[in-house]
Amino acid sequence: AAGVIQSPRHLIKEKRETATLKCYPIPRHDTVYWYQQGPGQDPQFLISFYEKMQSDKGSIPDRFSAQQFSDYHSELNMSSLELGDSALYFCASSSLMNTEAFFGQGTRLTVV
Amino acid sequence: ELKVEQNPLFLSMQEGKNYTIYCNYSTTSDRLYWYRQDPGKSLESLFVLLSNGAVKQEGRLMASLDTKARLSTLHITAAVHDLSATYFCAVVPDSGYALNFGKGTSLLVTP
Repeated sequence: AAGVIQSPRHLIKEKRETATLKCYPIPRHDTVYWYQQGPGQDPQFLISFYEKMQSDKGSIPDRFSAQQFSDYHSELNMSSLELGDSALYFCASSSLMNTEAFFGQGTRLTVV
Repeated sequence: ELKVEQNPLFLSMQEGKNYTIYCNYSTTSDRLYWYRQDPGKSLESLFVLLSNGAVKQEGRLMASLDTKARLSTLHITAAVHDLSATYFCAVVPDSGYALNFGKGTSLLVTP
């Protein structure tokens, strides 16, 4: 069965650079969530989209933005990167009619 | 602010033993999830609990939900080394859509 696809899997950026993370949800899933997980931490909710509209907002820094496109894939744009942005970034998708969220493999971002 | 508290945060147990992980949350919700995460890996869904009194079992793991007490438990029976991982509970509040995670319980099963 198709799963949530994230790209890239690994990314190394320098401070003050920008990064774009992509997420392709499970087919027919209309909701996408973004989470940030620091080393040894629990996943922190950043933002979510339902039917291409922002549905919920968590602790997403102003330097980050995200959107969901017409094909339901989503991109997380991160600017002015800081060392503290180094983390695993997970995307999850669900169908509004389904109560379960499925997670992608994550993108490991390292800021140097 | 929704709080999701797990305990213990660290658990070392011998193979063959039983133990329970607890998850308390601070807001009304009837949707609670348990996930497993191996180091550096993704979050694997274990259980979805959607109503008061829900109980689900898979292998050596059993999860339950008491929405009135705002408490879920994850019971481990006759632990084996393969169960070593970090276990997260997560709650979706009635007022929102996103999963709110507990701090996780890091489980180590030793011979």
